[in-house]
Amino acid sequence: DTGVSQNPRHKITKRGQNVTFRCDPISEHNRLYWYRQTLGQGPEFLTYFQNEAQLEKSRLLSDRFSAERPKGSFSTLEIQRTEQGDSAMYLCASTSPDKWETQYFGPGTRLLVL
Amino acid sequence: AQSVTQPDIHITVSEGASLELRCNYSYGATPYLFWYVQSPGQGLQLLLKYFSGDTLVQGIKGFEAEFKRSQSSFNLRKPSVHWSDAAEYFCAVGAHSGTYKYIFGTGTRLKVLA
Repeated sequence: DTGVSQNPRHKITKRGQNVTFRCDPISEHNRLYWYRQTLGQGPEFLTYFQNEAQLEKSRLLSDRFSAERPKGSFSTLEIQRTEQGDSAMYLCASTSPDKWETQYFGPGTRLLVL
Repeated sequence: AQSVTQPDIHITVSEGASLELRCNYSYGATPYLFWYVQSPGQGLQLLLKYFSGDTLVQGIKGFEAEFKRSQSSFNLRKPSVHWSDAAEYFCAVGAHSGTYKYIFGTGTRLKVLA
């Protein structure tokens, strides 16, 4: 069990650029979550996958955001035409099929949009 | 609507003193409740969780929390704080169905004085 990993850990980009983050969940975890955490706030739910199916998207996830989990393993979160308001920590979490209540979080990707 | 309130944004305690962090929730049924800790620039580490049964739950690092249904509270406690406990603490409610996503409070930042 190597834990949830996320890459990159830090990303600085200019407004208008596209960025993509990757999350590798714990092996055999079938549920995967993305959260966004802004300064001084708790994480907020963005989207959820069960295997490769994206089953829920938050209203926070504008049309500029897209997430995929093509083979039910790793997941990517892409932000197109980034805005300064997208600056945040993006957290990924996963859960196992038999302990679905408990989410294990990765270290996060901190995005700064200049 | 489901929500979590952590009324204390900042708390400062002396090393060796006792600690209590408050958490109040709003949920339609018996909730799944969690406390996570986040060190600067890091992801979230699970301290403890409550699903059912004994309302006093023990966690890692000497933390415990008590579920009080009548007060809709799940306060985190530690009898003697160590300097390494300085971090941000998040209380969360987990949904019972559907996506099982979490709703987090805004967090309490703990400072420990030597």
